[in-house]
Amino acid sequence: DGGITQSPKYLFRKEGQNVTLSCEQNLNHDAMYWYRQDPGQGLRLIYYSQIVNDFQKGDIAEGYSVSREKKESFPLTVTSAQKNPTAFYLCASSIGDRGGNEQFFGPGTRLTVL
Amino acid sequence: AQTVTQSQPEMSVQEAETVTLSCTYDTSESDYYLFWYKQPPSRQMILVIRQEAYKQQNATENRFSVNFQKAAKSFSLKISDSQLGDAAMYFCAYRTFYNTDKLIFGTGTRLQVFP
Repeated sequence: DGGITQSPKYLFRKEGQNVTLSCEQNLNHDAMYWYRQDPGQGLRLIYYSQIVNDFQKGDIAEGYSVSREKKESFPLTVTSAQKNPTAFYLCASSIGDRGGNEQFFGPGTRLTVL
Repeated sequence: AQTVTQSQPEMSVQEAETVTLSCTYDTSESDYYLFWYKQPPSRQMILVIRQEAYKQQNATENRFSVNFQKAAKSFSLKISDSQLGDAAMYFCAYRTFYNTDKLIFGTGTRLQVFP
């Protein structure tokens, strides 16, 4: 089955540590996205990538970093510079750069800072 | 900047009844897309319905339909014959026609369905 996988489902981090969230898709999509979801708020874009080896900052990129070395993979690193990283993180992908293309979402990773 | 507003934090409906979720948005663009996403307790986001702003006809998908009022910048979702499985968070989202970087989401409406 084609889809998007995210791992781990739950992640616990001590303050001061960097952690990496995995996102893999086998849909052959060019574009990939990372969103953050907090209670009472909608999803907010962290980073996006429209093609391999290229990515752009979203609205809340500070304290995060990404890479796009392969078409199917778009890992997100939450660095110690992110002041309030506890949140639910969603990865998404879409077929290309047309605004009407559906974004398909992964199941998410819940990150908790201890 | 574009914004999306969902003014109903929670709604409830009886099974088999109809419910309408509200969404308004602000934009200066003439071409764009609007979406409704469903987020069940599993937290997986699922596309419910999509509307192209240049189409006057309201989109429908089985029991789900929208009332798109472009001049009023309103995009409500109607769920007919509500089912227990419709219980979820519903997010309205906006995306520009040309700029492909992101969906702009509202804060969501939690829908409860009672038997």
